[in-house]
Amino acid sequence: AQSVTQPDIHITVSEGASLELRCNYSYGATPYLFWYVQSPGQGLQLLLKYFSGDTLVQGIKGFEAEFKRSQSSFNLRKPSVHWSDAAEYFCAVGGRSGNTPLVFGKGTRLSVIA
Amino acid sequence: GAVVSQHPSRVICKSGTSVKIECRSLDFQATTMFWYRQFPKQSLMLMATSNEGSKATYEQGVEKDKFLINHASLTLSTLTVTSAHPEDSSFYICSAPGAGNDNEQFFGPGTRLTVL
Repeated sequence: AQSVTQPDIHITVSEGASLELRCNYSYGATPYLFWYVQSPGQGLQLLLKYFSGDTLVQGIKGFEAEFKRSQSSFNLRKPSVHWSDAAEYFCAVGGRSGNTPLVFGKGTRLSVIA
Repeated sequence: GAVVSQHPSRVICKSGTSVKIECRSLDFQATTMFWYRQFPKQSLMLMATSNEGSKATYEQGVEKDKFLINHASLTLSTLTVTSAHPEDSSFYICSAPGAGNDNEQFFGPGTRLTVL
């Protein structure tokens, strides 16, 4: 069965500190991987995606993620967090057909303190 | 880029009434759209797959007679919550895959449904 695990429900970091959000997936074939961010009451914004090629993917807002096939992981990183990064972050996995929906992790809530 | 809209963005209704939510792909065609539900502080859960010109496919545990889905055109899917009850209060989000081969889903902004 397809699944995504985000082991950290809530993370608090200081502004300017580095960030890593963990994501592990289970998928029967080579997946497409995504990270989305959601502010309270808002929709989803795509941060970055991995389809193939370079396993280190650059996204918007200074985020990057690294696909590690051997660990079935796709962790999200940012070298220096800004207060505006406080939000809910979702990792998702999908098949390689446009007719397959995404499976989401439970999300990690990021709080940023001064 | 591909844009998906939803209408309304927020709706409050009385228990027992029906509510229709529209999901539109504004600048591309979508033969398939997906409907998700998100309860407060929880993740998105797939409810159903909407297929243009055919019946929707519902996930296990989702009542198809309660959540009616119609995908009448290549740019519009509608979700009707029939005889809504307070437990149906949730954030409903639709998505549609883009035209590329990478299964990037484009999400609507969501509809907040509150049933009193």
